[in-house]
Amino acid sequence: DIVMTQTPLSSPVTLGQPASISCRSSQSLVHSDGNTYLSWLQQRPGQPPRLLIYQISNRFSGVPDRFSGSGAGTDFTLKISRVEAEDVGVYYCMQATQFPQTFGQGTKVEIK
Amino acid sequence: QAQLQQSGPGLVKPSQTLSLTCAISGDSVSSNSAAWSWIRQSPSRGLEWLGRIYYRSKWYNNYAESVKGRITLNPDTSKNHFSLQLNSVTPEDTAVYYCAREYTDSYCFDSWGQGTLVRVSS
Repeated sequence: DIVMTQTPLSSPVTLGQPASISCRSSQSLVHSDGNTYLSWLQQRPGQPPRLLIYQISNRFSGVPDRFSGSGAGTDFTLKISRVEAEDVGVYYCMQATQFPQTFGQGTKVEIK
Repeated sequence: QAQLQQSGPGLVKPSQTLSLTCAISGDSVSSNSAAWSWIRQSPSRGLEWLGRIYYRSKWYNNYAESVKGRITLNPDTSKNHFSLQLNSVTPEDTAVYYCAREYTDSYCFDSWGQGTLVRVSS
């Protein structure tokens, strides 16, 4: 199985400041069809995960534009341009290029 | 997006069968552009994908190696829902279980159920 490794595991951020989360995969996530099936999910306390970004950089419906995704191959990044109070939670990267789908261990974003 | 509503017991005895159902609205369990998965979350294992079913002229299923042989997913087209059965449970199966829709054009989980905490305990 592909192992997804996120850093940092915890990210204390000041409101209004940026935050960045890295995700590295143990193998390239480029599919044989040319696409890269890397997505990011947000899990607020007590809630199910919620899709933020799919295929590296596409924001899902209703996701604020302060969230952006980038990367290629095995290295990917989620950025929050200006952290708001509602962004507190755990963020996960997930790959679906190779069966079975696997998730990172999560990065906790909290306010300083 | 679809709306997913989970139901099922929160307590199961060891060696018995865990059964959960996920009711779908806003989409069809027979959709040609979706797959329907169960995912669980525990402090020790994190988010773990367990299995999925999908319809492409006939029904297909895929299961994680970690639960293969113990897991069955079934669709119910008359009720537009799908179910999870996990046999011979142990305390290690204690987790929050989620159903989710995987949109297969982009292979992402775009809709999630509310989650069900299932404890395995006598």
